[in-house]
Amino acid sequence: EAGVAQSPRYKIIEKRQSVAFWCNPISGHATLYWYQQILGQGPKLLIQFQNNGVVDDSQLPKDRFSAERLKGVDSTLKIQPAKLEDSAVYLCASSLDKTGGRETQYFGPGTRLLVL
Amino acid sequence: AQSVTQLGSHVSVSEGALVLLRCNYSSSVPPYLFWYVQYPNQGLQLLLKYTTGATLVKGINGFEAEFKKSETSFHLTKPSAHMSDAAEYFCAVSGTDSNYQLIWGAGTKLIIKP
Repeated sequence: EAGVAQSPRYKIIEKRQSVAFWCNPISGHATLYWYQQILGQGPKLLIQFQNNGVVDDSQLPKDRFSAERLKGVDSTLKIQPAKLEDSAVYLCASSLDKTGGRETQYFGPGTRLLVL
Repeated sequence: AQSVTQLGSHVSVSEGALVLLRCNYSSSVPPYLFWYVQYPNQGLQLLLKYTTGATLVKGINGFEAEFKKSETSFHLTKPSAHMSDAAEYFCAVSGTDSNYQLIWGAGTKLIIKP
C-alpha cells in the first residue's frame, strides 16, 4: 500500500513570495490533515478535511494561508505572501475514518520550507 | 485545557541500555494516548497507542508504554536500545473537542551512544 506522498521535499523562497505544497493521501482515507512543525516543537494542526469539506481550520492564518482538497483526494496548501516565521516542515497526514485525533494518522515525509 | 509534557528534550543512552521516555498529560476525559516516532528527514510513524482496556501497550520495534491513570502518565520504554532507535519521539493525547484533535508534546530526541 502506497503511503502519503508530498511534494516538493524542500523549498527555499524569499519573504513575500508565494509557495504551494501538494499532498496525496493514502487511497480510501477520508480525512486529511496539514500540520506545521517548527524546529523543536510538536506538530501544530493547520487544517483538517473530511472528504472535501473543512472540519477544522481554527489555527490556519487565513490572511496568508489557504488550502483546498478537490474531489476529496489530493490537497494543496498555499502560503501567500510568506514570512520568515513560516520556515518550518509542513506535514500532511491522512486517516481512514472521521473520528479525528482518535484515529491513527499516517504521515507523509513533509516539505521543509526555508523563507529567507 | 489539555496539555502534554515530555520531560527532557534530549535523552542519551548507551546501546543495549534501557530506554525510558517520559510523558505526562492532562485530560478531563478518558484519553486516547499515542507515541509517534520521527526518523531524520521522515514523517511521523505510529509506535503504539492506548485506547481502552489493558494498560500496558506493546508497539513496534520492541517499544511498550504503560497508561497510569493515577499518575497521568504514559511513559515509553524499551529494554535494550539499538542504534536504529535514534530518532525524535512525540507523545500525544486526543483532545476533548468534537474532532478529538491531537494535543502534541514538544518531542524528545533519543541519542544512542555506541
